[in-house]
Amino acid sequence: QVQLVESGGGLVKPGGSLRLSCAASGFTFSDYYMSWIRQAPGKGLEWLSYISSSGSTIFYADSVKGRFTISRDNAKNSLYLQMNSLRAEDTAVYYCARDQGYVYRWGQGTLVTVSS
Amino acid sequence: DIQMTQSPSSLSASVGDRVTITCRASQGVSNFLAWYQQKPGKVPKLLILAASTLQSGVPSRFSGSGSGTDFTLTISSLQPEDVATYYCQKYDSVPRTFGQGTKVEIK
Repeated sequence: QVQLVESGGGLVKPGGSLRLSCAASGFTFSDYYMSWIRQAPGKGLEWLSYISSSGSTIFYADSVKGRFTISRDNAKNSLYLQMNSLRAEDTAVYYCARDQGYVYRWGQGTLVTVSS
Repeated sequence: DIQMTQSPSSLSASVGDRVTITCRASQGVSNFLAWYQQKPGKVPKLLILAASTLQSGVPSRFSGSGSGTDFTLTISSLQPEDVATYYCQKYDSVPRTFGQGTKVEIK
């Protein structure tokens, strides 16, 4: 069955960095675009970024452009999000998602807390 | 960027009531519109894609309509298990913006 499992979340100080990973299984990872979506505590969903199946096309939301970098390793069936210059407002649950325009498959999410 | 605005932000209705949530795009998105249900503490669940196509396994009391800039999610007969927050999302282009959500409660 399709599984997306995020890891790498945790507590980080403002200005710090964190790298999230998403391990995919149960489908041909290299066939699909992938996205990162986040949800701050008690708030709505925010689409952050997507990467094409080959990795050649990438887009970011303005809120993270220049600070976050999405990447993938199709040989390892893995998606990544490198997050730099973290701010308190980046505190959220970060979801890995299989992007078909809409999202049918979501990971369970990993919590990132930015606090001193 | 295209903005997605949902209304109302929250609603309270009785079991069996017909519930309607609207989603308005600041520019046309054709029918590239999805609806999600998120129950407390859970991952969002896809309900409807392409504005009106019910995802497999979703109860038929849910329906979607609209095209262009104005969309509607309807629950024909509200059930206790429908308590959740509902989000629309446009996916015609990037960014794939979500609406701010509509919280549905039982009166």
